This record gives sequence, structure tokens and C-alpha cells, in this order.
Amino acid sequence: IAGITQAPTSQILAAGRRMTLRCTQDMRHNAMYWYRQDLGLGLRLIHYSNTAGTTGKGEVPDGYSVSRANTDDFPLTLASAVPSQTSVYFCASSGGRVNEQFFGPGTRLTVL
Amino acid sequence: DQQVKQNSPSLSVQEGRISILNCDYTNSMFDYFLWYKKYPAEGPTFLISISSIKDKNEDGRFTVFLNKSAKHLSLHIVPSQPGDSAVYFCAAEATSGSRLTFGEGTQLTVNP
Repeated sequence: IAGITQAPTSQILAAGRRMTLRCTQDMRHNAMYWYRQDLGLGLRLIHYSNTAGTTGKGEVPDGYSVSRANTDDFPLTLASAVPSQTSVYFCASSGGRVNEQFFGPGTRLTVL
Repeated sequence: DQQVKQNSPSLSVQEGRISILNCDYTNSMFDYFLWYKKYPAEGPTFLISISSIKDKNEDGRFTVFLNKSAKHLSLHIVPSQPGDSAVYFCAAEATSGSRLTFGEGTQLTVNP
């Protein structure tokens, strides 16, 4: 089934630990995005990639890094997790106009 | 600086009545607007959109209205159904191929 998968579904993490959230799409979309959703703040863009090999910073990039080695995968890494990174993380992709974004099911991350 | 604002965190309506969700924006460069719907434990899904060259777009029970002079858009759902209960996000795009800016979201509850 075409779409976006994210792993893990949820994770509890000790502060200071490193964590990588995985995202894979099979729609051959060029652009991919990482958002975090927090109550009262909506969806905020962390990082994005317009095409394989390129990445850019979004609205809230601090504490996060991404890579885009190929078209399908766009992992998000927290080098040293902090409690303020407790959130629900969504990966999305788009193949043409940015408005046609397709979202994954999300990863619920808790940093203690 | 919240460029897209949804001032109502929640809205409750009776089944069969009209639901009106509102969104305001501040960036006059936004030229495309979208609504996404999100159920619990799922990623957002695209619902309907409107270009700044139009003032209305209709798709079945869903209609989006755009008032450019007031920098305001609204989503009308008629008639509302219990299955419409979800969080609705307004989003805006400044230029073709640029990134989306999301509002905070409005939780719609449709009571049977």
C-alpha cells in the first residue's frame, strides 16, 4: 500500500539519549518534511528536504538533524534528547505542489 | 510570530447543523490555503484548498471561503456528521513550491 510509514509508533526516552525517528515513503515524492505537533501550537516544521541530497531548516530546527541519502528515507535524529522535545512527530511528503502533502501516522515521543 | 491563527481551540455542534471553522492570517504573501483534518492517533489528511484568485471552493459538504481583504478564511461543513469530529488545521503557502504554515488547530465535536 502506497504511503508513508514511521517508526517507532511511540517511544519513551531518557534525557540525554540519542534517538532516530524513521520515515519512509514509497510514492517517489521529491519533497519530505518533519513536523512536531504540540497542543495549542499546531504543526511546526522542524526540517525539510526538497530532493534527495538536500535539506533545510524549518521553524524549530534546534536539537534536531536530518539526512536525505535517497528519495524514500528521511530520518530525524535527536542527538541528545531533552524533555521539551516530548511531542508527536509527523513525517510528510509531497510530489508536486507543496500543498499535496501526505502525512505518516506519527511517532509519540516522551523524554523523561 | 504566529502567521496563521485559529482562535477557537474547540467547537461543538449538533449533527445535521452547520459547522464553521475560522482561520486568520497575517502574511499578505500567502496565495494558497488548505484545510487538513486529523483523527486521534493518525496523521493529518488533506481536506480542501483554495487559491487566492478565488473566494469560494466547494467539495460536497465542505466549502471554504476566502476573504482576502480581511485575511480570513473559513471552512463550512453542512450538514455536520459525527464522523466529522476531528481536529481541523488551517494551512497557508506563500508561493508555489514553498512550505506550509499551519494554524494551531480546532477540535470539532459533532454530537449525535
